This record gives sequence, structure tokens and C-alpha cells, in this order.
Amino acid sequence: AQSVSQHNHHVILSEAASLELGCNYSYGGTVNLFWYVQYPGQHLQLLLKYFSGDPLVKGIKGFEAEFIKSKFSFNLRKPSVQWSDTAEYFCAVTYGGSQGNLIFGKGTKLSVKP
Amino acid sequence: NAGVMQNPRHLVRRRGQEARLRCSPMKGHSHVYWYRQLPEEGLKFMVYLQKENIIDESGMPKERFSAEFPKEGPSILRIQQVVRGDSAAYFCASSVAGQDTDTQYFGPGTRLTVL
Repeated sequence: AQSVSQHNHHVILSEAASLELGCNYSYGGTVNLFWYVQYPGQHLQLLLKYFSGDPLVKGIKGFEAEFIKSKFSFNLRKPSVQWSDTAEYFCAVTYGGSQGNLIFGKGTKLSVKP
Repeated sequence: NAGVMQNPRHLVRRRGQEARLRCSPMKGHSHVYWYRQLPEEGLKFMVYLQKENIIDESGMPKERFSAEFPKEGPSILRIQQVVRGDSAAYFCASSVAGQDTDTQYFGPGTRLTVL
């Protein structure tokens, strides 16, 4: 079955630390990859997405992600986190030719200490 | 420019009652997706609808759950005879064209609690 794995359930960092959240997906066909963020009490918002072209994708708020096809990975990175980045982060995938049903990972909670 | 709207935000039902969850897509979007998030789990796809059509309901439980998206008005997710295991957050998303590369825009969710 198609699935998405996020390896870290909860990450705790201090402000200014660098962030990398892992995401791996199953299946070897064409994929489209998304990172969503859910701030406390708010709805899911799109951070960035990849479906073709440069595998290094830049999103909002200084986030970026790199698609490595050989590793089935799409890790999220930020060089220096802020307290306001405290949120839950979800990696999601759609498969080429699908009608857009997103397959989500379980999410990673990020807590940034001021 | 209103985003995806869901109501109610919180819904409490007793076992055996019916729950109706509503979703109004973003303006200009005619494709609606419903997802369910159980505690400590990621979002799971339930159903994909266009106006007056169910396109994919492969994620819907076989019994008690139904969805519609009428020509006029919001999309409705209906759960009959709720059980405690239905307690979850239900999210609606909408997109422009229902393609795999589309961005889906999410509503704030409805948190259903079954007593």
C-alpha cells in the first residue's frame, strides 16, 4: 500500500537551531510532494510543494525541501528556526495520474524553545 | 477572499445520534475532499466529490458514512448512528481542478466528540 513515513514524532529545538524533518514515501512511480504546517489552533497551510523541475524547492517562511528520488525522500529544512515555527508539520504525497487524494504522514510536532 | 469554511467547528453527539458536517469550498473551487484525523494519526483520505458527483469514496467506511456535494450549497459529510470510534477531527479541502498536482486548501476542521 502507498504510504508516507515521518520518522520524528516530536522534535524540540532552541531558537536559531537548524531543522531537518524527514519524510519518505513508498512506491516508485511519479509523485507530487507537499509539506503542510498546522500552527496551534489553526488549519493546515501549504508550506511548499514539488511536482517537477528543480528538486530543491523553496517555500514560505524560509523553509525548503529537497526531493531525492533515489531515496524516496522529501526532507524539510530550515537553517534557523524561530519560536513562531512551533507547529505540527505534515508531509503528503499524491501519485501521478491520481485525482489528487493526498496521502499524509503522521506528522511531526516541532517545539521551539525561546 | 474567504477560504474553505467548515461548520460546526466542534460537535458533540451521543452514541446512536447522527452527525452532519458541512464544508463550503473556496470560491471558484468545485472539487472537495474529506479527510479524517484520528488521535495521534495523520490525515486519512475519505472521499472526493465534484458537484453532484462522488468521484472516489475508497476511503469511506462501508456503513453509516455518506457524503454529498449538491449543485447548490455546501458539501455534507453525514455519519449515522455515531459510535465512540468516530470521535476525530474531520477536515475538508478544496481544489480548482482535482488533479494530482493541485494545491488543496484546507478548512479549520470539525472536531467530533461522541459521548
